[in-house]
Formats: sequence, structure tokens, C-alpha cells
Amino acid sequence: DQQVKQNSPSLSVQEGRISILNCDYTNSMFDYFLWYKKYPAEGPTFLISISSIKDKNEDGRFTVFLNKSAKHLSLHIVPSQPGDSAVYFCAASVGNKLVFGAGTILRVKS
Amino acid sequence: EPEVTQTPSHQVTQMGQEVILRCVPISNHLYFYWYRQILGQKVEFLVSFYNNEISEKSEIFDDQFSVERPDGSNFTLKIRSTKLEDSAMYFCASRGYRGRTEAFFGQGTRLTVV
Repeated sequence: DQQVKQNSPSLSVQEGRISILNCDYTNSMFDYFLWYKKYPAEGPTFLISISSIKDKNEDGRFTVFLNKSAKHLSLHIVPSQPGDSAVYFCAASVGNKLVFGAGTILRVKS
Repeated sequence: EPEVTQTPSHQVTQMGQEVILRCVPISNHLYFYWYRQILGQKVEFLVSFYNNEISEKSEIFDDQFSVERPDGSNFTLKIRSTKLEDSAMYFCASRGYRGRTEAFFGQGTRLTVV
């Protein structure tokens, strides 16, 4: 039951460039989407979210875009920094349920 | 800043033994969750808990698992008879409101079943 998919297991980006992480979902009932960042041996940390009634939300270097018709969301990080290197999880929510994607490992090279 | 606290950070247990993983959610939160992550795999939903009862559970959460909020602050996950495949990181999370809010996660408990 892969309701939330992150098809790229890893991404490597040069410092200062844009990182784009993608996520697809299948359940049209999801009404809230979140991105979490995770370092090894730590719990996921909330990064940014977007409601299904919006198509963009921006917070500093992080912007999330939502395309409901395509059931696709993306996280843009610009400019990317070495400290952004981590695993990024997309998550989707409906009611009480929060479903995670498999994660994408982001490596930012200096 | 309020945070979710989990204990212990690492638990080693023998196969067939019972383990209890403990969590202290953020104090004014109402919704509680357990997730697990087997090494190298995705974060998987186990169970959600609200108003002193399970509101949803996954296929993973079989009769060997139970959750409890015994004293209004702690939120525990019990695995009655551990199996090797239960070895994973277990994350507790809490959420203030249903729906359009983020969940806050603890640092996790690494469970190793030998």
C-alpha cells in the first residue's frame, strides 16, 4: 500500500544550487502534506507543510509546491547548503492518519 | 521548546521477551502515534491513539502489539513476544489537533531483538 511515493532514493547537489525533491500520492482524500528532514539516529523533524487548498508555501530557503491534478508535490531548497544533507520524507495526512513516503537521501556537496 | 521524549534510546532483548517502549508526548497534544523504521526502509505507521483508545492501526500492529496511556502523560508501546523482525527504530509522535497540523517526533528507540 504505497499511497505516498518518493521515486528518487537519492539526490546529489552542489552547494549553492537548487535541490528539488519530488513526491507523488495516490489518495485524493489527503488534505495536508508535510516534509520532514531526518538525520541518522534521530527522529524526523518537521520542515514545511502545505494545505490541499494551496499550491505553494514558502519558508525561507524552503518552498513546497502542490499540483493536485497531478497528485504531485515537490520541495525546493535554494540555495542548498551542506547542512541540508539528510533524508527527506514526504508525508500526507487525512484526518488522524499521517502516511510517509520512503524518503530521499539528499547530499549537498561543498 | 516542547518536545517528545522517548526512553530508552536503545533496548536489546531476547527473542520471545516482552518489551515496553515509553514516550512522553508534548503535554497539550491530543493525538499520539507510533511509527517504526526497519534499517534502510521507510517510516511505517503502526498505530494512532486518541481519547484513550486506538483510532487506527496498520496491518503490522497485530495482537503482539498494544498501546496504553496509563497516567495521562506517558504513552507506551508493548510488544508481547518479540521476534527478530521486530528489530527497528520505533518513533513516537504527537499532534495537537486532528488534520492540518504537523506531528512532532521523538528521537526514537532502537530495538534490537537477538
